[in-house]
Amino acid sequence: GENVEQHPSTLSVQEGDSAVIKCTYSDSASNYFPWYKQELGKGPQLIIDIRSNVGEKKDQRIAVTLNKTAKHFSLHITETQPEDSAVYFCAASLDNAGNMLTFGGGTRLMVKP
Amino acid sequence: GAVVSQHPSWVICKSGTSVKIECRSLDFQATTMFWYRQFPKQSLMLMATSNEGSKATYEQGVEKDKFLINHASLTLSTLTVTSAHPEDSSFYICSASPPFGDEQYFGPGTRLTVT
Repeated sequence: GENVEQHPSTLSVQEGDSAVIKCTYSDSASNYFPWYKQELGKGPQLIIDIRSNVGEKKDQRIAVTLNKTAKHFSLHITETQPEDSAVYFCAASLDNAGNMLTFGGGTRLMVKP
Repeated sequence: GAVVSQHPSWVICKSGTSVKIECRSLDFQATTMFWYRQFPKQSLMLMATSNEGSKATYEQGVEKDKFLINHASLTLSTLTVTSAHPEDSSFYICSASPPFGDEQYFGPGTRLTVT
């Protein structure tokens, strides 16, 4: 089955700096890669996703890149703000797996004002 | 759009009792809903996948007789924790996928504490 590794497990940055979180996956057939933000005591919120036919996607301060050959994808947050502090999860799924997601272990991002 | 609600948001129950958690997709019909369990500072662990009108598919190690899942309509799935024990205390989160889409939208979660 699919295995998703996520690094780093914790990340501390200064407000205004950029943050990068990286994930690798094992199944080359995976074709959908969402990123979720989870604040304390809340459910995960889908913040951006990318499909295998696209190499990069951007939404304001957030961007995701995908390297299918290397089987890794990354989340980039620019101009970080204290409200970006949360736990971020990457995930991967297969088209024929009934939308079943395999999650990475999560990254706790702390943005220091 | 794509809002998923859960009820209750938190519940405390005594050991041996049963607790029902509801998951609703508010603005879309969800052919598939998922139930996850999350321990503190850990990732989400998929418990089961439910499709409307059919029996749920449970992940290995999840007791189907203990965690009863019903997906009676395209907007509602329920998880019943039967004969709850303190080790069942956890954060339970549901998610829903729209038809013809691969996105999953998560509910706000339910914190269950069994005393």
